[in-house]
Amino acid sequence: GAGVSQSPSNKVTEKGKDVELRCDPISGHTALYWYRQRLGQGLEFLIYFQGNSAPDKSGLPSDRFSAERTGESVSTLTIQRTQQEDSAVYLCASSSTRGFRNQPQHFGDGTRLSIL
Amino acid sequence: GNSVTQMEGPVTLSEEAFLTINCTYTATGYPSLFWYVQYPGEGLQLLLKATKADDKGSNKGFEATYRKETTSFHLEKGSVQVSDSAVYFCALRGAQKLVFGQGTRLTINP
Repeated sequence: GAGVSQSPSNKVTEKGKDVELRCDPISGHTALYWYRQRLGQGLEFLIYFQGNSAPDKSGLPSDRFSAERTGESVSTLTIQRTQQEDSAVYLCASSSTRGFRNQPQHFGDGTRLSIL
Repeated sequence: GNSVTQMEGPVTLSEEAFLTINCTYTATGYPSLFWYVQYPGEGLQLLLKATKADDKGSNKGFEATYRKETTSFHLEKGSVQVSDSAVYFCALRGAQKLVFGQGTRLTINP
């Protein structure tokens, strides 16, 4: 009965390095989302996966950002050549697609990324 | 496109005060509306939701009514507690992704 699990919970890295963030959604949830939350700000949509459909990448801020999902389970968000502006909390959420519009998203605790 | 506008914070109240956090939205079609809460050091949690006009969502003493005529989904609580201190996000879902407001930080003083 676990919720959405994200790892690592904290990541500190030097500018220019690549980072990989992981999300394990709730079992059976076919929809998976990544968001970014900068300090003191709201949530910024990044990317959305739904089953075998092509992902909605419309929120990715640059080509340094990419994400993959293995089937209907784990997803990884990769940021290449990190910049200080990438510092934020990266949140993953999943939801069921039954009665899709009415289903809330369940969020993980996030990965706090700090770029030095 | 879809958007959500929330009352700017921070909001500071005394315990047992009445709370209103305003939320208005712009959307095509008939979105579902949500309030999420983020307690200090924790992740986002769903607080309540409403899926059609005139629906009232409620949870933990909080309420919000889906008002299509005013495109609003204001969050209310009759008597707040210190434990309600958190950041509150209004959100809507149209076709796919949730669209969030900027969040309102609420602090309740004893």
